[in-house]
Amino acid sequence: QKEVEQNSGPLSVPEGAIASLNCTYSDRGSQSFFWYRQYSGKSPELIMFIYSNGDKEDGRFTAQLNKASQYVSLLIRDSQPSDSATYLCAFMEYGNKLVFGAGTILRVKS
Amino acid sequence: GAVVSQHPSWVICKSGTSVKIECRSLDFQATTMFWYRQFPKQSLMLMATSNEGSKATYEQGVEKDKFLINHASLTLSTLTVTSAHPEDSSFYICSARGPGLAGVNTGELFFGEGSRLTVL
Repeated sequence: QKEVEQNSGPLSVPEGAIASLNCTYSDRGSQSFFWYRQYSGKSPELIMFIYSNGDKEDGRFTAQLNKASQYVSLLIRDSQPSDSATYLCAFMEYGNKLVFGAGTILRVKS
Repeated sequence: GAVVSQHPSWVICKSGTSVKIECRSLDFQATTMFWYRQFPKQSLMLMATSNEGSKATYEQGVEKDKFLINHASLTLSTLTVTSAHPEDSSFYICSARGPGLAGVNTGELFFGEGSRLTVL
């Protein structure tokens, strides 16, 4: 059973701080990884995808991938209350299907 | 990003009735769409992969006769929950793979708004 593990949280950070979200995965063959944000009662929205080792930056978001250690992380700089949501990590398995983690709840306190 | 529209956004029905949920890709063609279900405080669980012009592929444990999927065109997939029961109450979300950048499919999924089903 291929899995994605995430700390359920909640992770609480003050406004303006850096939020660090982590994810580990079991499938060594995975090549593509995704971070989605999901507000309560809403469907997920894509934040970033990454498939090369190292860092990928997009605005306040930085995704980090380490395939040898099988983890992927998401850093959110200058966290805002509007960033408060559940963050879902996912990887693509054979058949182009995405496998999701249970998500980490982030709370940014003003 | 690509736009996926889902309808209805919420529905309440009586036990034993059937409910149809539509998923449309608005500005791109989607040969493959995915149907997920999400129970409260849990992650998205893939139910089935919908393929245009062919039968859907169901995940283990998902009853294909209960969750009928039709993908009749490149922009529309439907999920019908037949003879719904209270345990089918959930948040159903469809998704489609976007067209990608410069024709390169990078694999990201775009989700519809979701349909919250409540079976009384």
